[in-house]
Amino acid sequence: DTGVSQNPRHKITKRGQNVTFRCDPISEHNRLYWYRQTLGQGPEFLTYFQNEAQLEKSRLLSDRFSAERPKGSFSTLEIQRTEQGDSAMYLCASSYPGQIPSNYGYTFGSGTRLTVV
Amino acid sequence: GESVGLHLPTLSVQEGDNSIINCAYSNSASDYFIWYKQESGKGPQFIIDIRSNMDKRQGQRVTVLLNKTVKHLSLQIAATQPGDSAVYFCAETSSQGAQKLVFGQGTRLTINP
Repeated sequence: DTGVSQNPRHKITKRGQNVTFRCDPISEHNRLYWYRQTLGQGPEFLTYFQNEAQLEKSRLLSDRFSAERPKGSFSTLEIQRTEQGDSAMYLCASSYPGQIPSNYGYTFGSGTRLTVV
Repeated sequence: GESVGLHLPTLSVQEGDNSIINCAYSNSASDYFIWYKQESGKGPQFIIDIRSNMDKRQGQRVTVLLNKTVKHLSLQIAATQPGDSAVYFCAETSSQGAQKLVFGQGTRLTINP
């Protein structure tokens, strides 16, 4: 296992289209997080899962956003009816529960960069 | 809501010099702080962390200082190298519960030859 994998790396879509991103966490990690990062800003928390349960959602996660982790392994983040303001880098991270975000815990993927035109 | 912020958006230093990147945090409930390095097109990479019961922690060429009195965090990089060029973020969290990270805006560090 080489780390957290995100696909696709880049996505360009027209406004109003739906998009879906995938995150494959480190296999032993049962916590999975989604963050959004706009240019020049730090990542912002969107939501997280412990196993297949979605335990918390940020106010940033509008009703056009939905995340799933059906079998407690990979996760998908879907954005419906995309808007230009959705253009951002979407980052996934995984960790052990209760494992503090240290060098051997919380690990980020390389992200999916979404551009809405 | 409360968030972590940075004093300087950009920092240029000469290769071999020491760099200091500063950060202010505002959530008194945070008990764990992390510095991340982010290179273009990549996710944040862990550099060093510190718990709120400490005021200093050292790693390889990096030192993090925590001043809880003024809610200030700094990252010192010794003998900066070209490979240190990146954007640096501080982040805060609670070691309990969701452990969601609150990031600051970031400082871009540029190393001049």
